[in-house]
Order: sequence, then structure tokens, then C-alpha cells
Amino acid sequence: EVQLVESGGGLVQPGGSLRLSCAASGFTFSSYWMSWVRQAPGKGLEWVANIKQDGSEKYYVDSVKGRFTISRDNAKNSLYLQMNSLRAEDTAVYYCARDYYELSYDYVWGSYRYTEYFDYWGQGTLVTVSS
Amino acid sequence: SYELTQPPSVSVSPGQTARITCSGDALPKQYAYWYQQKPGQAPVLVIYKDSERPSGIPERFSGSSSGTTVTLTISGVQAEDEADYYCQSADSSGTVFGGGTKLTVL
Repeated sequence: EVQLVESGGGLVQPGGSLRLSCAASGFTFSSYWMSWVRQAPGKGLEWVANIKQDGSEKYYVDSVKGRFTISRDNAKNSLYLQMNSLRAEDTAVYYCARDYYELSYDYVWGSYRYTEYFDYWGQGTLVTVSS
Repeated sequence: SYELTQPPSVSVSPGQTARITCSGDALPKQYAYWYQQKPGQAPVLVIYKDSERPSGIPERFSGSSSGTTVTLTISGVQAEDEADYYCQSADSSGTVFGGGTKLTVL
């Protein structure tokens, strides 16, 4: 059974830092892209960042570029999100998600097709940024 | 990144068919995915690659695509289907979610 368990959330002051962790089990962690997705209170879902199987590629939503860093340790089956310079608008539940990612060329449209979806999610960890 | 637009709410009576739409300029070229989220729970993938259903998802959930609009259809809606539903897609600039649609079962 696939399990993703987040930890590390809590209350932090604006400008502070926090490191989230996600412990994965039940699948070959090193074979999958992984993502962080967040949800502000009462709001919708927002993809935050993802990382390739070997950590060689990382992508971020514009609003966190330069402040957040995604990383992974395949030996420990763990995913991380280092969050610096936190702002009130970063307040959210942060979900760890297994990321199915595939890039292919569509000869009909003459462009690349990005296949990316999240087939397993953790229960989330709440990050509150407030003074 | 581009935007995905969903109606804020949809209401149906039990046993009827619910249709939730999602519009986006890139949808003809990129797949869409759908998630169900119940209060206090993590999202669950219910449709991938426009119309594929993951194992364990009831057959009453189906997806379709036409031009710049994709549709999640729930046939024979049950009370347990009341939830928020999000569409999602990806392109070269990243992954984006729609704003979500609250499905109310009357």
C-alpha cells in the first residue's frame, strides 16, 4: 500500500524558515517524480514544486522561486521542502504527492505533450505564517 | 502558465447526472485530470488523461474532452459524491489546477 506521510508543519513568523518532510513507503520511491501541492485555508489547490527521480531536475511555481527548495533522499525514501523567507500568503496545508510525469512529442499538433498527474497524496501538514 | 476555469458550484439530486466543466486554451493539446476532495481529506484522483479511470474509482465517474473544454460526468449521483472537484493540466510552464467546483447533492 502506497503511503505518504508529511511532517514538519507548524507556526512560523513572517520571514522565518521551515523544513517539511514526506516519508514514502509501499512503492519504489526512486522511480517516481514527486511534488508538493498546497491549499490555503478555504481555497483551491496550487502546485508548488516537483523533482525528478534522481533530483537532477526541479521546477517551482513562480511565487516560491528563490525562497523554496525541493529535494529528496532516495536512500531514505524521503522528500523535503525547505521554505525560507516565509510570507503570510504561504499559509496552507502542504501535501506531498506522487507525480506521474511523462513528456512526449505529439506529431499531430507538432508540439510536446506534458503528462503529469498526482496519483497518491499524503494527508498534508499545516504551515501557518503569522506574527 | 495558463488558466483553467471551472464553475464554482453545481447542484444535482440523487440519481441524476452531474456534469462539471473545465475550460483552458491548452486543453486541446494537453491532457486533463480530475480530483475529488471531501472536507478535511486529501484529494483523490478520479480521472486521468481526459477519460481514463484509476482502479477503484466507480464506473459512474467518466471524463470527456471537446476542444478547449473537458467535462467530468458523474452518472447516478450518490450522496457520497458531494465534494469539491478540481481539474488539472500541465504544459511547459508547469502544472495548474482549476479553481474547483463544489458539487452539492440536494
